[in-house]
Amino acid sequence: AQKVTQAQTEISVVEKEDVTLDCVYETRDTTYYLFWYKQPPSGELVFLIRRNSFDEQNEISGRYSWNFQKSTSSFNFTITASQVVDSAVYFCALSTAEGANNLFFGTGTRLTVIP
Amino acid sequence: DAGVTQSPTHLIKTRGQHVTLRCSPISGHKSVSWYQQVLGQGPQFIFQYYEKEERGRGNFPDRFSARQFPNYSSELNVNALLLGDSALYLCASSSTTGGAGSGALLTFGSGTRLTVV
Repeated sequence: AQKVTQAQTEISVVEKEDVTLDCVYETRDTTYYLFWYKQPPSGELVFLIRRNSFDEQNEISGRYSWNFQKSTSSFNFTITASQVVDSAVYFCALSTAEGANNLFFGTGTRLTVIP
Repeated sequence: DAGVTQSPTHLIKTRGQHVTLRCSPISGHKSVSWYQQVLGQGPQFIFQYYEKEERGRGNFPDRFSARQFPNYSSELNVNALLLGDSALYLCASSSTTGGAGSGALLTFGSGTRLTVV
């Protein structure tokens, strides 16, 4: 079975602080994909990143960075120098080659950046 | 270019009624998926269609059905509405044959917020 856990329900930070959103996943499949999506108040899910299980390289994109560690089944997301526009709900998701043809989402982390 | 468009944006229905939600994928995308997002939860997979054929189904009752048209647009139908069907219904499209299980990148619409009273 596939499962994604985002233990942090809500996080509040002051603008310019760094913040890390945690994601722990479970799967028995050896081939899988991990995603992060951002959901602003408008409702649509905005794609941020996709990684496959064979690529453990960390990635940086501007103020965003991702730390993928298979040893701990984690795929954490860090925002550096947070801005008010980063306020949203962030979802981590998992899909597997052997599982159903869909994304398994975590319950999300609501990030509020205070000016 | 237009993204994934969904209609209507908001809808209020009474228990027992039927509802149809519509989705137009990004031009050139042939795969459409539907997700249900209950308030405070992550989205849950309902269906995936590719070239008018169902390619995946989530754990939802038979009251939920969907179809895809020759122009790749899609409808999600829900019969005998229950209060628990109140949610944001999200449609996503992708350009590849496979669904998310093959790593396909899904582009989501803004959703239809359904309220059942």
